[in-house]
Amino acid sequence: SQTIHQWPATLVQPVGSPLSLECTVEGTSNPNLYWYRQAAGRGLQLLFYSVGIGQISSEVPQNLSASRPQDRQFILSSKKLLLSDSGFYLCAWSGQAGNTIYFGEGSWLTVV
Amino acid sequence: EDKVVQSPLSLVVHEGDTVTLNCSYEVTNFRSLLWYKQEKKAPTFLFMLTSSGIEKKSGRLSSILDKKELFSILNITATQTGDSAVYLCAVEVRGAQKLVFGQGTRLTINP
Repeated sequence: SQTIHQWPATLVQPVGSPLSLECTVEGTSNPNLYWYRQAAGRGLQLLFYSVGIGQISSEVPQNLSASRPQDRQFILSSKKLLLSDSGFYLCAWSGQAGNTIYFGEGSWLTVV
Repeated sequence: EDKVVQSPLSLVVHEGDTVTLNCSYEVTNFRSLLWYKQEKKAPTFLFMLTSSGIEKKSGRLSSILDKKELFSILNITATQTGDSAVYLCAVEVRGAQKLVFGQGTRLTINP
């Protein structure tokens, strides 16, 4: 069966510091991969999605970037965090047909 | 711009009540609508709806889609405290390989 792992689960980072959140999927090949952010009391905002290695689509202009160095690995990064980057970040995957997506456990980021 | 709107944003009921959550959408090219339940961390998948008028059912939860009026409802009967969660509605846009989410409905079931 397919599983998705995301880490770290929580982190507190100072403003201006770098960020790296990592996500890996097991039990499937060539998945679509996604990074979502959920601010407190709000729905999920799609940040990036990828349909293949090295292929990244950005949905909103922001301080973050994403990379997909391997088929089942998706990384969310920032060179310098802002206070507004605080939130709950969710990695997700779907099959190539899209539709149902499955989420990782999420990462709570607090920028102080 | 593709948009999904859920209502109410928050709902508090007593255990045993029946609740109806609403989701309306405006998208360029609809493919499917999905419901998720989010308790503390990751949202978990509940239903996927693609055809109008066909009810999907799982235990006390059921959902139906109206593609003419562009909305879906999620019903929960005989609610239990374990149903307390944020319920998210999402629409898949055909050809876009992504889901557009609503803001969610925070449901609280009091004993």
